[in-house]
Amino acid sequence: DAGITQSPRHKVTETGTPVTLRCHQTENHRYMYWYRQDPGHGLRLIHYSYGVKDTDKGEVSDGYSVSRSKTEDFLLTLESATSSQTSVYFCAISESLGRGLGDEQFFGPGTRLTVL
Amino acid sequence: DQQVKQNSPSLSVQEGRISILNCDYTNSMFDYFLWYKKYPAEGPTFLISISSIKDKNEDGRFTVFLNKSAKHLSLHIVPSQPGDSAVYFCAARGYGGSQGNLIFGKGTKLSVKP
Repeated sequence: DAGITQSPRHKVTETGTPVTLRCHQTENHRYMYWYRQDPGHGLRLIHYSYGVKDTDKGEVSDGYSVSRSKTEDFLLTLESATSSQTSVYFCAISESLGRGLGDEQFFGPGTRLTVL
Repeated sequence: DQQVKQNSPSLSVQEGRISILNCDYTNSMFDYFLWYKKYPAEGPTFLISISSIKDKNEDGRFTVFLNKSAKHLSLHIVPSQPGDSAVYFCAARGYGGSQGNLIFGKGTKLSVKP
């Protein structure tokens, strides 16, 4: 299994509070991703990173920001959490964005976030 | 506007029989397709992939078929086992830049009955 950890694994917070989720990898992969999974929507990309300090928006980036100061860490921040951000958040990593073997994304165990 | 569609939310199959999970896509720029399997409370795990230059890829009990003209792919599991019970996500990747990111379907929950 790819070495990906997410912290915290579970979090309950209140509307309007800031929240930061952390993804840590030990694979030295260049690409890192944040997804959210909601019933009826599958997995949707929030933000991704293609290198240290290089990030870009995904499909559902509003209300989220990210930072990557080291290869191994990718942080997802909800500046002011809302109930619509209640979800399960997955981090993923990949070696490249190509289309051959080794380009698959490997996922972390997920963080269940509840915003009351 | 859903670019990757898994129209069956659930599928129930008897142990030992074939499971067929289907996926349709709309974007002709997709040229790489993947299947992921997800158990409850775990992250998705990569299962099998196929490039658009192929029409079939096989790995043990798992085979993915791609029909480019129909923009359709399917995952066959033969024989199905109770441990295969999970949610299966189809994903597609475009070419270059942010197009290289994965677009996922909503998933199909497979239940394999003993």
